[in-house]
This record gives sequence, C-alpha cells and structure tokens, in this order.
Amino acid sequence: RKEVEQDPGPFNVPEGATVAFNCTYSNSASQSFFWYRQDCRKEPKLLMSVYSSGNEDGRFTAQLNRASQYISLLIRDSKLSDSATYLCVVNRNAGNMLTFGGGTRLMVKP
Amino acid sequence: ETGVTQTPRHLVMGMTNKKSLKCEQHLGHNAMYWYKQSAKKPLELMFVYNFKEQTENNSVPSRFSPECPNSSHLFLHLHTLQPEDSALYLCASSQDDIRHSPLHFGNGTRLTVT
Repeated sequence: RKEVEQDPGPFNVPEGATVAFNCTYSNSASQSFFWYRQDCRKEPKLLMSVYSSGNEDGRFTAQLNRASQYISLLIRDSKLSDSATYLCVVNRNAGNMLTFGGGTRLMVKP
Repeated sequence: ETGVTQTPRHLVMGMTNKKSLKCEQHLGHNAMYWYKQSAKKPLELMFVYNFKEQTENNSVPSRFSPECPNSSHLFLHLHTLQPEDSALYLCASSQDDIRHSPLHFGNGTRLTVT
C-alpha cells in the first residue's frame, strides 16, 4: 500500500462547482498534513496546512480524520485558475521527511 | 531575487558524463532538500540537509552525490547516470521544523539522460 494515496483524476468540473478530493495515508503515526498545489510545468506551492479541527481559507476547506486516516480538500465556487494538480502531503515523523501523494488533477471548464 | 533558484533549467547528459545541479536559497532557511519528480510518479525525497548536515538519505544510489557547503547552497553531483534517472529534480528549502514552515521549491532542473 502506498504511504499517501490519491485519486489521480482528472476531475473535470464547470466554473462555480464545488469539488472535493480525498487522500488516505498509511502511517497512523503521521503528525502533520498539508495540501500543495502544482501548476503544469511549475514547482509545487503550499496551499494550506491541515489541522485536526479542520480549517478554512477562503473557498478552500481542509479536513483531517485521524481515525480513518484520510484528509480532504473542498473547493467551493471553482474558478478557472483553480485548474492544477493538488498534492496531499504528510509528515510521518518528527523529522523533515515529507511524503507526497501522486496528486489529483483538477480541470475547471468555462 | 526569487526565493529558491536552480540552475540549469534543462540538462541533457550522456551516461558517462559528470554534471552538477545547483540550488541557492535567499530565504534565510536552514533546511534544504532534493526531490525527484518522474512522470506519473509522486515526488520522491532524495536528501535532506539541516544546518549543512545531511540528515536524510532516502536510499538514493551513489551515482547521485549531494553537497551542502553552507545553508544557502546545495549541489547535486551526477555521474554515470542511467536513462531511468531522467526526471525533474526539484530543490526546496524550509525552516528547520517542517511542521511550521512550508517547503519553498525552486523551478527545477529537467534532466534527460541519453
């Protein structure tokens, strides 16, 4: 089983739609969780951290379910500029080793 | 100046060549990383340096040799590579505690081994 698993997509949605991605992780000792965004042929950039109580940043909401070992990202009112690959990232120990999922590709259409 | 700068952007090398990738960060971070991104595969961590000391080597073959002369510079020396080593090599930096400091990536070096 992969350490961090994501549905690769692509998710094709119209502008204004709400879309949700899930991510599962295998190591129950994982401590920190993040969503990164990677545009085509660009480097990944942090979108948001994921906190145990869930957190929101504008149109983006992240949730963590430790019991089921999954993380979710909800995007409301999708924009064309949201088209990208969304990477689920987990820090599995106290060191600086981040494990990346394979990414979920989102395409927002007019 | 951009935060994390990598050179060259593109590199084509033969299997017998020796080349080096360079990374420089202007963010005052004390941790630096090399990641490999192959087509249709997740980003793979290769090496981590904290305060110039290598703290992680993620079972990387010895044909990849990192060097961190100071907290701002990181090199990846390449020799006798294989075609399957063709990939995008990304450098990143962060403060020493990854839980509170995101990774800042460079633009990457796209490497082709012929």
